[in-house]
Amino acid sequence: KAGVTQTPRYLIKTRGQQVTLSCSPISGHRSVSWYQQTPGQGLQFLFEYFSETQRNKGNFPGRFSGRQFSNSRSEMNVSTLELGDSALYLCASSYQGADGYTFGSGTRLTVV
Amino acid sequence: GDSVTQMEGPVTLSEEAFLTINCTYTATGYPSLFWYVQYPGEGLQLLLKATKADDKGSNKGFEATYRKETTSFHLEKGSVQVSDSAVYFCALSLPGGTGFQKLVFGTGTRLLVSP
Repeated sequence: KAGVTQTPRYLIKTRGQQVTLSCSPISGHRSVSWYQQTPGQGLQFLFEYFSETQRNKGNFPGRFSGRQFSNSRSEMNVSTLELGDSALYLCASSYQGADGYTFGSGTRLTVV
Repeated sequence: GDSVTQMEGPVTLSEEAFLTINCTYTATGYPSLFWYVQYPGEGLQLLLKATKADDKGSNKGFEATYRKETTSFHLEKGSVQVSDSAVYFCALSLPGGTGFQKLVFGTGTRLLVSP
């Protein structure tokens, strides 16, 4: 079966702009979670969506937001980009959120 | 808070050497434990997991045993290959009220295997 698909793979944006990243989970998976990976902070949890509702949120500013559609696809949005937002953003899906996670290959965002 | 501590890398080994990557955790409750692997330019792949004390997870020659008494989940492989070169992440998850189990990751350990 198809894995978790994240688009785009690479993105370059300018400070102050906004960006939207997309994640298509494995078919049948209803939980989608997002993580930010940076060399300094490592892997940090952003938020999780289940059946179109945000169930959990990490400790990130309000500039980071997301949503989930009825087909379980999810998007995350970062507004007013800062240089420190440069990172690999990883999406993970699971059936319910408590039974194992499959990660996508990530979107590498560079803010210049 | 809940946390995972991994040994600093890089770990440099010759092919066919024995591998150990140490991982200890701090958690309130009874976490599930995972090892993920990340190859260059890729996302995370689940390598193995254990959900309760004394469970042994294994996959592709890698093993790790959930040790509650020492709060550890060390990764081992008897004979590494060049293709095992990657970054390895130890992680834990705990059940939350909503049913979601957030993953808490260690800092990762880079493994370099030379021919």
